[in-house]
Amino acid sequence: ETGVTQTPRHLVMGMTNKKSLKCEQHLGHNAMYWYKQSAKKPLELMFVYNFKEQTENNSVPSRFSPECPNSSHLFLHLHTLQPEDSALYLCASSQDGGGTYNEQFFGPGTRLTVL
Amino acid sequence: DAKTTQPPSMDCAEGRAANLPCNHSTISGNEYVYWYRQIHSQGPQYIIHGLKNNETNEMASLIITEDRKSSTLILPHATLRDTAVYYCIVRLRSNDYKLSFGAGTTVTVRA
Repeated sequence: ETGVTQTPRHLVMGMTNKKSLKCEQHLGHNAMYWYKQSAKKPLELMFVYNFKEQTENNSVPSRFSPECPNSSHLFLHLHTLQPEDSALYLCASSQDGGGTYNEQFFGPGTRLTVL
Repeated sequence: DAKTTQPPSMDCAEGRAANLPCNHSTISGNEYVYWYRQIHSQGPQYIIHGLKNNETNEMASLIITEDRKSSTLILPHATLRDTAVYYCIVRLRSNDYKLSFGAGTTVTVRA
């Protein structure tokens, strides 16, 4: 238990569906991240939020839409996804997103399958 | 950030020390060496980090060569639960959020 929870743990959706992934951290951190891990590929950073402000968008397609209503919650809204978007989506948090180092704590991930 | 090179896989006997090498020959003076691991179907887990001195915590030890071009992560008494992919990452301390994961080393601990 890392203090970062993600729901759902597994999600199967069609290409025309709209769904959302949720991440919550109970660590009092100020920075939150979304990563994507496709099969046989390294983790890829998608988005970074620091004090609720988006500070990084790593050229992610617009069919992925992040939302950070407060420092404890992070969402990833999904719409009109493609089968190649099937992957493990990981959320992480850290004390802050720059300046002083603090390690990132990862959630267990959401295994997404797009049919 | 400097690129790292790790062996794709290694086996280790349970109860023995596991020594995981990492090459980072292009590391600059203000870049840190970090280690994370990812147990199957879980999120990555921070292990340890260092700049130039050797570091030890409850999980592992990090040995960095004097020229800083390579390092070794040591798991002193490997258990079956240490089976995971281990990632060596080099980055600037000020570039905190940029965790660039490579392929890592798949470590299998055998009974």
